[in-house]
Amino acid sequence: NAGVTQTPKFQVLKTGQSMTLQCAQDMNHEYMSWYRQDPGMGLRLIHYSVGAGITDQGEVPNGYNVSRSTTEDFPLRLLSAAPSQTSVYFCASRRTINYGYTFGSGTRLTVV
Amino acid sequence: ELKVEQNPLFLSMQEGKNYTIYCNYSTTSDRLYWYRQDPGKSLESLFVLLSNGAVKQEGRLMASLDTKARLSTLHITAAVHDLSATYFCAVDLIANAGGTSYGKLTFGQGTILTVHP
Repeated sequence: NAGVTQTPKFQVLKTGQSMTLQCAQDMNHEYMSWYRQDPGMGLRLIHYSVGAGITDQGEVPNGYNVSRSTTEDFPLRLLSAAPSQTSVYFCASRRTINYGYTFGSGTRLTVV
Repeated sequence: ELKVEQNPLFLSMQEGKNYTIYCNYSTTSDRLYWYRQDPGKSLESLFVLLSNGAVKQEGRLMASLDTKARLSTLHITAAVHDLSATYFCAVDLIANAGGTSYGKLTFGQGTILTVHP
C-alpha cells in the first residue's frame, strides 16, 4: 500500500490563479479530510468526506472546493488563490471512526 | 463549537526527566487522538483513545483519557533526545448521543517538546 499520496509537494501560485491539490489513498478508507497548517495555529479542517459522494465543510472552507467521486480520490481546489492561502496542506484518511487518521506527506503552497 | 487546548505549548526538558502534556476539550467526546510531528514532516499517529478511562502506552509515552473531565494527558517518562518533536492532540466531534462521528477532527495548538542532554 502506498498509503495517502499528495501531489504536488511544493507549489508557487500567483494571486488569482486556480489549482487542484491531489490526494489519493489505496487503503479503501471511507473518511478523508483536508487540513491546513499554519505556524502557531495547529491544523484546521477545510473540508471532509465520510464516503464517496458525501462532503461537508470544516472550520475554514472559504476559497476551497472539494468533491469525492470515488473512494480513492479527494482533490482540493483553490478557486482564486490569495496570499492568505499560503500554508502547508495535509490530506488524511481513515478506515472508520475507531481508527486514527493516516496523513499524507503534505503540500507546501506559496501564493505571491 | 469544539475547542481543544493543550498546555504547555512549549516544553523544554532534560533527558531522564518526566513530564506531562495536557489536552482539554470543550464538548462531549469520547474519541481522542495523539500525533507526533517532526520538523518539516507529516503527522504520525501515536495513540487512539476510544473510551473513558482508556490508557495506552508505547515506550516512554503513555496517554490517558478522562471523558468526564474532558481531559487527556500524554506522560513522558525518562525523556530522551529522540522524543523532541511537536505533539498534537485531536478530538472527534460526536454528532449525536448515539456516538456517530462525522470525522470532524479538531486539533489542539500543539506542544513543542525539546529534550536537552
